[in-house]
Amino acid sequence: GQNIDQPTEMTATEGAIVQINCTYQTSGFNGLFWYQQHAGEAPTFLSYNVLDGLEEKGRFSSFLSRSKGYSYLLLKELQMKDSASYLCAPHTNAGKSTFGDGTTLTVKP
Amino acid sequence: DAEITQSPRHKITETGRQVTLACHQTWNHNNMFWYRQDLGHGLRLIHYSYGVQDTNKGEVSDGYSVSRSNTEDLPLTLESAASSQTSVYFCATQATGGTEAFFGQGTRLTVV
Repeated sequence: GQNIDQPTEMTATEGAIVQINCTYQTSGFNGLFWYQQHAGEAPTFLSYNVLDGLEEKGRFSSFLSRSKGYSYLLLKELQMKDSASYLCAPHTNAGKSTFGDGTTLTVKP
Repeated sequence: DAEITQSPRHKITETGRQVTLACHQTWNHNNMFWYRQDLGHGLRLIHYSYGVQDTNKGEVSDGYSVSRSNTEDLPLTLESAASSQTSVYFCATQATGGTEAFFGQGTRLTVV
């Protein structure tokens, strides 16, 4: 089965750093996606972690601990355009992703 | 450039009618997925396909069906539309092997 937990809402200030956590219990776990979704738009890919550890990609980093069923997305030097929903999506070895309800991030000046 | 196209973008239909939402991709991906997203929530998997003639039920498949007659298309049919099926529907494609999924722009369906 699938059980995904992430905070519903977060608020941060422009230029700051924010960490969005995600815990999951996923049968047949293979890796974990993070997607960004602006209001009224389709989700877009941010990162995919398969191995434990931190992967950095510009201002965004993603961390995975397979043994703890835990991931986080770290956003640095926040910009107003980062205001969006961030979706945690564990991926199974059967080739399916299950999505959490998402964390709505509001960046304030 | 490769793309994924959903049509229509907006649809209003009456309860009990059959509705088909189209999804067409030029990525040549084997894997295709249909999700629904209700306001303030994440995506829930309706149906998915790993290739031509292959279809599988997702977590919320009741009242929906799909068919895969070619690589490019995975139409989603609501057999008898219900108000509970009012939602935004996203189609996605993904190459075999767990790479990123590419999403269509979504279809906003309202059942009245």
